[in-house]
Amino acid sequence: GAGVSQSPSNKVTEKGKDVELRCDPISGHTALYWYRQSLGQGLEFLIYFQGNSAPDKSGLPSDRFSAERTGGSVSTLTIQRTQQEDSAVYLCASSLTENTEAFFGQGTRLTVV
Amino acid sequence: QKEVEQNSGPLSVPEGAIASLNCTYSDRGSQSFFWYRQYSGKSPELIMFIYSNGDKEDGRFTAQLNKASQYVSLLIRDSQPSDSATYLCAVNLSGGSNYKLTFGKGTLLTVNP
Repeated sequence: GAGVSQSPSNKVTEKGKDVELRCDPISGHTALYWYRQSLGQGLEFLIYFQGNSAPDKSGLPSDRFSAERTGGSVSTLTIQRTQQEDSAVYLCASSLTENTEAFFGQGTRLTVV
Repeated sequence: QKEVEQNSGPLSVPEGAIASLNCTYSDRGSQSFFWYRQYSGKSPELIMFIYSNGDKEDGRFTAQLNKASQYVSLLIRDSQPSDSATYLCAVNLSGGSNYKLTFGKGTLLTVNP
């Protein structure tokens, strides 16, 4: 596609449920990032995939969060047993290489009720 | 600790003035520097990138890089109310074998008519 695509754009879930957020990066981009942004706050780094290297998971806030990137393309961020504090906009970005600009998707707004 | 720092602001300037946004980074090995603009409720969008010491101009925007001082700035000339947004500085910081794009917390700019 022409840009980074994220789905769903909005997700409302009940506390305790699991959710999966999807990111389709720009074709050919080797680097993929997941960020979280709460209302009025800055970007919070979650996880980074670069080529075939082991992902940098240093930003994941708890073991309820996990992500995978299949075939070096599509990525899925999974949040298990969601809590209200997980409510935020989850942003995915991709870049051609680790040294080039990243392009963002429109985000998934997650609301845990 | 590898990081990117920005003054959170808010920075308020009158219409037509020059807005100056500043960013410092911790990793002397960084090679790529980016400025993003984020309107409220929207995803960040790239407005400038710079790789070499000195100035880079694009329309009303000028990015300035000083690697010796580990400092990058963004100047916005003839500021317009439509420039009101949060400006994010991003730097590729080294992390083990890979570089990773790391964002500052952003500076909120308000341009007053």
